[in-house]
Amino acid sequence: QKEVEQNSGPLSVPEGAIASLNCTYSDRGSQSFFWYRQYSGKSPELIMSIYSNGDKEDGRFTAQLNKASQYVSLLIRDSQPSDSATYLCAVTSNRKLIWGLGTSLAVNP
Amino acid sequence: DTGVSQDPRHKITKRGQNVTFRCDPISEHNRLYWYRQTLGQGPEFLTYFQNEAQLEKSRLLSDRFSAERPKGSFSTLEIQRTEQGDSAMYLCASSADNEQFFGPGTRLTVL
Repeated sequence: QKEVEQNSGPLSVPEGAIASLNCTYSDRGSQSFFWYRQYSGKSPELIMSIYSNGDKEDGRFTAQLNKASQYVSLLIRDSQPSDSATYLCAVTSNRKLIWGLGTSLAVNP
Repeated sequence: DTGVSQDPRHKITKRGQNVTFRCDPISEHNRLYWYRQTLGQGPEFLTYFQNEAQLEKSRLLSDRFSAERPKGSFSTLEIQRTEQGDSAMYLCASSADNEQFFGPGTRLTVL
């Protein structure tokens, strides 16, 4: 059974701080990695995709991938209260997305 | 609006009734996915289409669930003889490559 694991949280950070979200996966053959943001009662929204080892930056978001360690992370700089949501990590395995349970992030004003 | 759309957004039904949901993908996307999500869980894969071909269906899915994508455009998901355990958010996503984009979902409540 291919798995994706995330800390459920809640992760609480003050406004303006860096939020760090982590994800590990079991399938060494996985090639594509995604972070989705999901507000309560809403559908997941794609915020970052990463395919090769290293860092990928997009605005306040940075995704980091280490395939050797089977680890992918998301950093949110200058966290805002509007970033408060559940962050889902998803990894491709056999053409399907395997999802973590998500990490709940609370950004406190 | 050129995003994924789903209809209806909410559905309340009585146990034993049949329900059908519709998904309209982003127009240039040839892949379409159905997921189910319950509170505190990640999306659970149900089925996947490439154009009109249904390429994969979850083994967890009972025979009460069926999906179609007759012309490779919109898709429907039907649940027959609904049960209370079917209550969930039903999500549709579409993609042209690896990135999947989700619609707003249909929230099903089975009484």
